[in-house]
Amino acid sequence: QVTLKESGPGILQPSQTLSLTCSFSGFSLSTYGMCVGWIRQSSGKGLEWLANIWWNDDKYYNPSLKNRLTISKDTSNNQAFLKITNMDTADTATYYCARRELPGYRGFDYWGQGVMVTVSS
Amino acid sequence: DIQMTQSPASLSASLGETVTIECLASEDIYSNLAWYQQKPGKSPQLLIYYANSLNDGVPSRFSGSGSGTQYSLKINSLQSEDVSIYFCQQNYDSPPTFGAGTKLELK
Repeated sequence: QVTLKESGPGILQPSQTLSLTCSFSGFSLSTYGMCVGWIRQSSGKGLEWLANIWWNDDKYYNPSLKNRLTISKDTSNNQAFLKITNMDTADTATYYCARRELPGYRGFDYWGQGVMVTVSS
Repeated sequence: DIQMTQSPASLSASLGETVTIECLASEDIYSNLAWYQQKPGKSPQLLIYYANSLNDGVPSRFSGSGSGTQYSLKINSLQSEDVSIYFCQQNYDSPPTFGAGTKLELK
């Protein structure tokens, strides 16, 4: 059974760095073709893909936020991470991690429950 | 980025009705199109991938079709549990992009 769960600070101030953790089970990020992605959802911008990390450590970022994003993984502990620097009120959203696997046309087949992140001074 | 335009933005239908949601890509995405269902307060769930392939466990009243830039999601015999927001997403080019969503309500 595949499950994913996000964790994060809940609230942070403008200019701070957001650190998110995705803890998953039922698959391994060391298995060929596996990927964990991060997607966020805000009332203003809908669903927005942020980044993917693949089993071979290939990383892909949304160009609109690329300079602010860092994705990484800890294969041994079945976790993936996302850091976003210089957070702004516009980054207030629910952040999801989700699994994807090759072939890429399958989309994100399992999602976590999401973690709400509020940016406020 | 490939723009995904969904229509309608909202839809009201009766139990047992058939509903169709459309998704238009700004360029050919060669059937690399997924549909998701998001129930209130929940995360999105994959319904259909590669335009017309039903994900495991999804009821057969859901179907997808289309090619090129035009795609649709059809729900036959609408059930109360189908009240959700539906999103399309293209996986053809990076960054993957989503439609704005269609909110389906019961009449």
